[in-house]
Amino acid sequence: GAGVSQTPSNKVTEKGKYVELRCDPISGHTALYWYRQSLGQGPEFLIYFQGTGAADDSGLPNDRFFAVRPEGSVSTLKIQRTERGDSAVYLCASSLTGVAGELFFGEGSRLTVL
Amino acid sequence: KQEVTQIPAALSVPEGENLVLNCSFTDSAIYNLQWFRQDPGKGLTSLLLIQSSQREQTSGRLNASLDKSSGRSTLYIAASQPGDSATYLCAVGGAYNQGGKLIFGQGTELSVKP
Repeated sequence: GAGVSQTPSNKVTEKGKYVELRCDPISGHTALYWYRQSLGQGPEFLIYFQGTGAADDSGLPNDRFFAVRPEGSVSTLKIQRTERGDSAVYLCASSLTGVAGELFFGEGSRLTVL
Repeated sequence: KQEVTQIPAALSVPEGENLVLNCSFTDSAIYNLQWFRQDPGKGLTSLLLIQSSQREQTSGRLNASLDKSSGRSTLYIAASQPGDSATYLCAVGGAYNQGGKLIFGQGTELSVKP
């Protein structure tokens, strides 16, 4: 696609529910990243995929968070047993290769946990 | 642990002024540094990418400089316009093999008054 696409743009859920957030990167980009941004803060790294594999998942806050990228394109961030503290904007980015270069971000998925 | 700080947190200027946004980082062993723009409720747009071997990059009215040894970068905006109003984020990349794993500052919220 022309840019990084994220769905849903907004998600409101209740504490304890399961949530999936989807990211469709720029066509041909092999590297995909998930970041989380809380209000008034800069984004924080969660996980980085190179192709289908998670090259670095050191930013995932706990085992309730999981992400997949089964075919090396679309990625899904999965959050189990959501908590109010998970409320944030989840940003996805892609880059052409895994080499440190320019990142292209989507507009984010705003998650609100009631 | 790398920490990135941006000063000031907010800035309001009249249209036409030249201005400087500051970014500092604690660990000088960076691979690159990027400046991003974020409009309210939107994702991040890459403005300038400076590799660690470079001293500056320019794009239109924007000029970013990097002094790795002192852990500082500045973003210079010439002849500011109301359309420049946004939050500006600085982010550093730690190593070649860390791809787009960036450490962000908290951002500077810029308001340019007509």
